[in-house]
Amino acid sequence: DGGITQSPKYLFRKEGQNVTLSCEQNLNHDAMYWYRQDPGQGLRLIYYSQIVNDFQKGDIAEGYSVSREKKESFPLTVTSAQKNPTAFYLCASSIVARMNTEAFFGQGTRLTVV
Amino acid sequence: AQKITQTQPGMFVQEKEAVTLDCTYDTSDQSYGLFWYKQPSSGEMIFLIYQGSYDEQNATEGRYSLNFQKARKSANLVISASQLGDSAMYFCAMREEDYGQNFVFGPGTRLSVLP
Repeated sequence: DGGITQSPKYLFRKEGQNVTLSCEQNLNHDAMYWYRQDPGQGLRLIYYSQIVNDFQKGDIAEGYSVSREKKESFPLTVTSAQKNPTAFYLCASSIVARMNTEAFFGQGTRLTVV
Repeated sequence: AQKITQTQPGMFVQEKEAVTLDCTYDTSDQSYGLFWYKQPSSGEMIFLIYQGSYDEQNATEGRYSLNFQKARKSANLVISASQLGDSAMYFCAMREEDYGQNFVFGPGTRLSVLP
């Protein structure tokens, strides 16, 4: 079945550590996105990529980094520079050339700083 | 400025009744799309319905319909015959040609369906 896989589902991080969240898609989508969701809030865009080896900062990119070495993969690293990383992280993908197509989402990763 | 506004943080509806969730948006782009998603407590994002800026008719998908008023820049979601399983967060989102075709989300409305 086609879809987006995020792993792990739950992640615990000690302060000062970097952690990497995985996102893989087999939908052959060009665009991929990372969103952060805080409790009771909407989704905020961290980074997005519309083509391999290229990505752009979203609204809240500080303290995060990404790579897009393969079309299928868009990992997100939460660095120690991110002061408040505890949140729910959602990865999504979409077709670029067609505006009337929705974003498909993974199941999310819940990150907690301990 | 907020691109997507959802003014109802929480809504209650009786089972089997209809409910309208409000969404207003801000854009100067002529080409854009509006989307509604449902997020149950599990956290997954479920796509419900889409409306294009050039669509003349309101979109419908089963029990979901979209009341699109372009001049007022509103795209309200109507859920008919509410079911207990409709209890969830609902997000309105917009995709603009001039914004790199990214999806911008509103703050959401929490819908609770009462038995």
